[in-house]
Amino acid sequence: EAGVAQSPRYKIIEKRQSVAFWCNPISGHATLYWYQQILGQGPKLLIQFQNNGVVDDSQLPKDRFSAERLKGVDSTLKIQPAKLEDSAVYLCASSLGQFMNTEAFFGQGTRLTVV
Amino acid sequence: GNSVTQMEGPVTLSEEAFLTINCTYTATGYPSLFWYVQYPGEGLQLLLKATKADDKGSNKGFEATYRKETTSFHLEKGSVQVSDSAVYFCALRNAGGTSYGKLTFGQGTILTVHP
Repeated sequence: EAGVAQSPRYKIIEKRQSVAFWCNPISGHATLYWYQQILGQGPKLLIQFQNNGVVDDSQLPKDRFSAERLKGVDSTLKIQPAKLEDSAVYLCASSLGQFMNTEAFFGQGTRLTVV
Repeated sequence: GNSVTQMEGPVTLSEEAFLTINCTYTATGYPSLFWYVQYPGEGLQLLLKATKADDKGSNKGFEATYRKETTSFHLEKGSVQVSDSAVYFCALRNAGGTSYGKLTFGQGTILTVHP
């Protein structure tokens, strides 16, 4: 079974530029998560989708971050404009559903460096 | 809101030593509890889980017991190996409310095992 695919793996941009990350979840997984992991910290949830609807985006900085999940499958996360403090690894994860005992599978992440 | 607190790291052990990584949580209702592991250069992967009080999750020689009375889910291994060197994350999954299914992580504990 193919895992969660993310691209690109690495990205370096200057502050105030824009950037987009792409995620392809495991086939059939209804729930998709985007996490931000700053060096030395645990992953922080940015947004959670159930199919193509948003379940939780309470920690998404909506003035600069946006995300969408096209047709309930692939998802993109965009930052515009980027700030230095956005340097982090952006993780995408998916699970069959929101049920408590279902496992979330993670992609390898995109490491963003803002200079 | 829900939160997960892990013991401060990093933890450095000799091979075959006993490992304990403490994890406590704050949550409403009855969340599911997880330990995820991140090996160097790899993505997050599920190590073990427990979905109700007194459940014991186990995998690869690691164990953790869901203790509702102490709101804890400590990770243990009787004899660690060099290959166990990684970052370990404790996490919980919401049992209900508006963020049903949300996965909340602790800050991570770095484990280094020396030969």
